[in-house]
Amino acid sequence: EDQVTQSPEALRLQEGESSSLNCSYTVSGLRGLFWYRQDPGKGPEFLFTLYSAGEEKEKERLKATLTKKESFLHITAPKPEDSATYLCAVQAGNYGQNFVFGPGTRLSVLP
Amino acid sequence: DTAVSQTPKYLVTQMGNDKSIKCEQNLGHDTMYWYKQDSKKFLKIMFSYNNKELIINETVPNRFSPKSPDKAHLNLHINSLELGDSAVYFCASSQDKEQPQHFGDGTRLSIL
Repeated sequence: EDQVTQSPEALRLQEGESSSLNCSYTVSGLRGLFWYRQDPGKGPEFLFTLYSAGEEKEKERLKATLTKKESFLHITAPKPEDSATYLCAVQAGNYGQNFVFGPGTRLSVLP
Repeated sequence: DTAVSQTPKYLVTQMGNDKSIKCEQNLGHDTMYWYKQDSKKFLKIMFSYNNKELIINETVPNRFSPKSPDKAHLNLHINSLELGDSAVYFCASSQDKEQPQHFGDGTRLSIL
């Protein structure tokens, strides 16, 4: 069965304090790994897609990386507006028919 | 100019009732989805619908039925609502089944 776990469950950072979020996955036939951001009362907002080990994507203070078993979302010098829940999702299966979200990491950035 | 819109935003109803949630996307996408987010905030896919081909998640009770009048709309009808159906339901769409998904803001369903 395809599984996705994320750690830590919650993370509190001071503004400017860089850190990383982890997404570990066990799937059969990875088609893609997605990172989303979800604000309270809103739907997830797409951030990145990674398709193969070694791939990296960057957007402002965020950088996502992928290995064969996990992905990291690195946050450099975070600001309070980066506070949100960050969700990792994988698409797997021969036809990409399996789509599984992780439980998320709740990030709080304090001013 | 909302990309994926759901109505209603809140739905409070009694156990045993039948209700529908509507979803529309104006992105020209071919694939649409329904997700359930439970009280622990876990997002779980219920259905995906790609160019009139419905892929049903077998863990979803048959009280839940998606209906797609056209490519831009995917509605969710729920019969005989149960207490355990209380959750936030999200609609999403993507260009095709392997592209990133764009989500609506959810419908919060509460069963009394």
